Amino acid sequence: ETGVTQSPTHLIKTRGQQVTLRCSSQSGHNTVSWYQQALGQGPQFIFQYYREEENGRGNFPPRFSGLQFPNYSSELNVNALELDDSALYLCASSPERGDTDTQYFGPGTRLTVL
Amino acid sequence: DQQVKQNSPSLSVQEGRISILNCDYTNSMFDYFLWYKKYPAEGPTFLISISSIKDKNEDGRFTVFLNKSAKHLSLHIVPSQPGDSAVYFCAASAPGYALNFGKGTSLLVTP
Repeated sequence: ETGVTQSPTHLIKTRGQQVTLRCSSQSGHNTVSWYQQALGQGPQFIFQYYREEENGRGNFPPRFSGLQFPNYSSELNVNALELDDSALYLCASSPERGDTDTQYFGPGTRLTVL
Repeated sequence: DQQVKQNSPSLSVQEGRISILNCDYTNSMFDYFLWYKKYPAEGPTFLISISSIKDKNEDGRFTVFLNKSAKHLSLHIVPSQPGDSAVYFCAASAPGYALNFGKGTSLLVTP
């Protein structure tokens, strides 16, 4: 059973560019949540996808968008990058929406915006 | 607006002693609380949780205590081991809402 994987590991972009981050959920998990962890902060919820539909969103602007595919893998897209978007982006998958104990996190993608 | 607060950024404890990590919250709607452990270059890993109907939950060396009236929870690790050195995040959720995380406490267990 493979765990949650994320790609790429690190990414450097410049202000105004667009970025796509990818997440492969754990086998059998149909729910993916994305979090942003800025330096010195805890993870902050961006949004959750359940069976390809958005199922809740945190306090992030519309330039943060996502997708979930039929195999339950997911993408996080960020448009018009700003310096403050520099952070570790974590995805977490769970067997069902609302499952927090069984939410498994990937290692994250470190995004640096210059 | 930080609804979950971990006021100690770091803690150092000797191997074999008790580690106590503290967490305070402000939202009285929170009814489920979790602790996660994070090693460098890895994602957070679920450690232990507690529902608001309980005041204590134990799992091996880890015990979480919840004081609802004080809106305070703590994680006790006994005995502490060098492998416990990591960042510990406290998280809380209200029904139908996402997890709110604290900023984390970096625990160092020295031999």
